[in-house]
Amino acid sequence: QVQLVESGGGVVQPGRSLRLSCAASGFTFRFYGMHWVRQAPGKGLEWITLISYDGRNQYYADSVRGRSSISRDNSKNKLYLLIDSLTAKDTAVYYCAKDFAHYESIGYFDFWGRGTLVTVSS
Amino acid sequence: ETILTQSPATLSLSPGERATLSCRASQNVSNYLAWYQQKPGQAPRLLIYDASNRATGIPARFSGGGSGTDFTLTISSLEPEDFAVYYCQQRNMWTFGQGTKVEVK
Repeated sequence: QVQLVESGGGVVQPGRSLRLSCAASGFTFRFYGMHWVRQAPGKGLEWITLISYDGRNQYYADSVRGRSSISRDNSKNKLYLLIDSLTAKDTAVYYCAKDFAHYESIGYFDFWGRGTLVTVSS
Repeated sequence: ETILTQSPATLSLSPGERATLSCRASQNVSNYLAWYQQKPGQAPRLLIYDASNRATGIPARFSGGGSGTDFTLTISSLEPEDFAVYYCQQRNMWTFGQGTKVEVK
């Protein structure tokens, strides 16, 4: 079965950077676009970034554009997210999510990990 | 940017009742809309995609409708496990609505 397991969360000081990872299994990872979606405590869902199945294309929400980078290693079935210049507004549970369709990312999320909590605090 | 507005914010119903949730888009999104269910402490689950197609394993009591700017998610008869928060999401720029909480009356 499809499994997505995020890691790398924790408490980080404002202004620092953080790298999150997502280990995928149970499907052909290299065929699917992958997303990161976050959820601040008690708030709604916010899509933040997508990487195409082959890693060639990346898309970012305005809230993280210019200070974040999504990447993937299809040989290791792993997805990554690096966010720089963290602020309290970045405090959230970060989910990795699989795109619904293979090859062309159509932008629905059919499988999600359990998330990793990032807390930005001094 | 397309904004999705969900209503009501909270829906108080009893098990067995029918739930109707609304999602309105600020511009035409065709039928490119999904619905997700999220329970406390859990990741969201895809229920409906392309406005009216149930995702794999989703019970038939969940149905979606609408196109253009107005969409609905209907739960025909609420089961105890259906009390949760529901989000709509449009696939063009991947934005979500703010959510509707379905709570026990």
